Amino acid sequence: AQSVAQPEDQVNVAEGNPLTVKCTYSVSGNPYLFWYVQYPNRGLQFLLKYITGDNLVKGSYGFEAEFNKSQTSFHLKKPSALVSDSALYFCAVALYGNNRLAFGKGNQVVVIP
Amino acid sequence: DGGITQSPKYLFRKEGQNVTLSCEQNLNHDAMYWYRQDPGQGLRLIYYSQIVNDFQKGDIAEGYSVSREKKESFPLTVTSAQKNPTAFYLCASSLEGALLGTEAFFGQGTRLTVV
Repeated sequence: AQSVAQPEDQVNVAEGNPLTVKCTYSVSGNPYLFWYVQYPNRGLQFLLKYITGDNLVKGSYGFEAEFNKSQTSFHLKKPSALVSDSALYFCAVALYGNNRLAFGKGNQVVVIP
Repeated sequence: DGGITQSPKYLFRKEGQNVTLSCEQNLNHDAMYWYRQDPGQGLRLIYYSQIVNDFQKGDIAEGYSVSREKKESFPLTVTSAQKNPTAFYLCASSLEGALLGTEAFFGQGTRLTVV
């Protein structure tokens, strides 16, 4: 079975500073990894994904994530955070051959003006 | 305007009643999903469907039922057997499903409250 862990409940960062949201995964094969963002009382919006190839993936709104197979991590990063980045961020993993998409519990990001 | 639509946005249910949450997509996606979201627990998979007339149980299927009679529709029924149904329910669809790494598109959610 696949699973993801998002170890921090909340991430606080000052506007303009780098933002990192951590995600580690556990699968028995090659993973497909995703990041989504959720604003209050809304659905999730896709940010980026890793399927294969380059370990550094660039996505929407200036976000990027780095796949690290040895550390089984897929941390989300943004060089300069905006107040509008304040939201709930979810990491998710799917396993080739298994159609289930497993989500982490989410990280609340608060960007302080 | 393509997308995935959930209705209603808010739903109130009396104890002992069944209620059905609607999910419609016009993206021509094969796969559809239902998730339940509770504070601090992330998203948990209730049911998913890879193709019309086929669906599989997720991690928390007890007390729920689904149908997939049309490609664009995947309604979820919350039955009286679901002991704690108050939650935020999210429907999603994807072109080929997580199996091939295609991302999911989510509806805006239905907040169900038992009164």
